[in-house]
Amino acid sequence: GAGVSQSPSNKVTEKGKDVELRCDPISGHTALYWYRQRLGQGLEFLIYFQGNSAPDKSGLPSDRFSAERTGESVSTLTIQRTQQEDSAVYLCASSLSGIINEQFFGPGTRLTVL
Amino acid sequence: AQRVTQPEKLLSVFKGAPVELKCNYSYSGSPELFWYVQYSRQRLQLLLRHISRESIKGFTADLNKGETSFHLKKPFAQEEDSAMYYCALSITNAGKSTFGDGTTLTVKP
Repeated sequence: GAGVSQSPSNKVTEKGKDVELRCDPISGHTALYWYRQRLGQGLEFLIYFQGNSAPDKSGLPSDRFSAERTGESVSTLTIQRTQQEDSAVYLCASSLSGIINEQFFGPGTRLTVL
Repeated sequence: AQRVTQPEKLLSVFKGAPVELKCNYSYSGSPELFWYVQYSRQRLQLLLRHISRESIKGFTADLNKGETSFHLKKPFAQEEDSAMYYCALSITNAGKSTFGDGTTLTVKP
């Protein structure tokens, strides 16, 4: 079956614009995660969904960042009024449940804010 | 708050030599520890998890609660082991995972 997919694969935007990143998890996976990976750094946890609810939003760096998930499937990460420091690879992962299961990662979206 | 430290950003060994990628964590409870690997132009994927006590591709990792470490070891490195390795910690039932900054392993011929 298909793995986790993310779109777009690359996004170049101008400072101040809004962007929307999409993640399609593996079918049947109830847990979904968003991470940010800045150049040369590790994975920074952003948010976690169990079903359509987000019990842990602690990693969202500012109120410009938001995420939603619908139908226990696709998730979108929205960044409003993008800043240059938002430039990074945004990774999505899903797992069968949120109770310590292997996370399957998507290919990531590379965001460049000019 | 939980934290994962991988002290080596870069590690280089020759083919056939032993390799150890260090990982230390801080968490007051009982965490789940994982190693993930990202080969060139591939997705990040699970290598092994401590609860399964498996040996994957010749790699093993032992959780040492006294030293709060979960070092990844392989007795004889192969060129195909060259990749980025991430140590990760998950808290039971909490969903959140904390990743280290990663170690880039290069195995030279």
